[in-house]
Amino acid sequence: GQSLEQPSEVTAVEGAIVQINCTYQTSGFYGLSWYQQHDGGAPTFLSYNALDGLEETGRFSSFLSRSDSYGYLLLQELQMKDSASYFCAVRDSSYKLIFGSGTRLLVRP
Amino acid sequence: DGGITQSPKYLFRKEGQNVTLSCEQNLNHDAMYWYRQDPGQGLRLIYYSQIVNDFQKGDIAEGYSVSREKKESFPLTVTSAQKNPTAFYLCASQGGGAGKQETQYFGPGTRLLVL
Repeated sequence: GQSLEQPSEVTAVEGAIVQINCTYQTSGFYGLSWYQQHDGGAPTFLSYNALDGLEETGRFSSFLSRSDSYGYLLLQELQMKDSASYFCAVRDSSYKLIFGSGTRLLVRP
Repeated sequence: DGGITQSPKYLFRKEGQNVTLSCEQNLNHDAMYWYRQDPGQGLRLIYYSQIVNDFQKGDIAEGYSVSREKKESFPLTVTSAQKNPTAFYLCASQGGGAGKQETQYFGPGTRLLVL
C-alpha cells in the first residue's frame, strides 16, 4: 500500500524553530511536496524536493533523503500566522499526489 | 488574474438528490483534480483528469462522477449513491514549466452538507 506518516500535532513558541517530519512508502517516487492549510482555507504550495538535500525558501526549508524515504519541513522564526496544518505529499508512478494526514502546528506567544 | 474558482462555497443536499460542484481554472493547466477532506484529515483523491475528454478514478470515486469537456472546467457530481457526502471538497489544477510542474493550485473549496 501507499502511506505517508507525519505527526498529528506540534506545538512551539513564537520565534522558535520547528521541524515536521514525513516518512513515505509509495509505489514510485517523483518528489516530495509540502502544503500549508489554514483552518477553513485551501492548501497552498510551500516547497518541493525532487533530489536529496535542502531547499530553502525564506523562513521555510525542506529536506529530502530518498534512501531513507524521509523528508522534513523546517520553519524558522515562527510567527503566530504559521499556526496551520502542514501536509507532505508524494507524486507516485502515476500523475497524482498522495497526501499525508497532516500535522497541526500551534504557535504560542 | 489567473486562478481557480469553485462554486458554491456552501451546498446543501437532500436525501436522494444529485448535486454538482463547479470548478473553473484560467491557468491553462492540463491536469485537474478533485479531493475530499473530512475534519482533521488529509486530502483523498476522488477523480483526476490529465487532458480534456479523459479522466481517471482516484481512491474514493464511488458515488461521484465527473466530466472534462473543456480544459477550463472539471465539474464534480455527488450522486445519491454517495451515502456520506458531508465534507470539504477541493479542486486543484497542475501544470507549468520547469520547477513548477509539481505544484498543485487549489480552489477555495465547497463545503457540502446533508439536510
